[in-house]
Amino acid sequence: QSALTQPPSASGSPGQSVTISCTGTSSDVGGYNYVSWYQQHPGKAPKLLIYDVTKRPSGVPDRFSGSRSGNTASLTVSGLQAEDEADYYCSSYAGSNNRVIFGGGTKLTVL
Amino acid sequence: QLQLQESGPGLVKPSETLSLTCTASGGSISSSSYYWGWIRQPPGKGLEWIGSIHYSGSTYYNPSLKSRVTISVDTSRNQFSLKLSSVTVADTAVYYCARHIPSSDWFDPWGQGTLVTVSS
Repeated sequence: QSALTQPPSASGSPGQSVTISCTGTSSDVGGYNYVSWYQQHPGKAPKLLIYDVTKRPSGVPDRFSGSRSGNTASLTVSGLQAEDEADYYCSSYAGSNNRVIFGGGTKLTVL
Repeated sequence: QLQLQESGPGLVKPSETLSLTCTASGGSISSSSYYWGWIRQPPGKGLEWIGSIHYSGSTYYNPSLKSRVTISVDTSRNQFSLKLSSVTVADTAVYYCARHIPSSDWFDPWGQGTLVTVSS
């Protein structure tokens, strides 16, 4: 099972919005409502931002939102802040055999 | 709240077995609702799910690693463990443990991670 495809980098200025894509197939992203997103600052563990495509855990700002169209899921960060500069990873259920696959990660730079 | 902490040797020789333990505090791993997982991240690279275990002992593994991986659980110590056999330099990575929500396959929270280097 191949990893999900994410752009290696994205950027935006403070206050702007940026969207990060995560492309899979009908056997993973497009086939189940089980896409999650993680934020990872340098030297730190990943932190859950979004689960079940659109749901936010308590404590995650509503500036972070998730969506999906077909086989591509997206994470949108609105009102960019300096602290949002980090790596972002998507993940999806990929069937009973492969179970969980991750994207390659996107480095978000706040200009 | 639940916290997870990885422990184990930071250096393993090629062809040997990597062994790590994850200790949970602030919560019990003996919950029927959760699995407990291992994820790794080679330096400068992305995340890779290794496998997960339920407190009952039920496991599932990444097919690409399955032949070399064993995950076990010790409910009396509130711990679960990872063994990866026949390691090579390609297994050098930061290894994370995390609570795995199996209903929709997401991980939260994560341990801080531990770097394991495979080198002679």
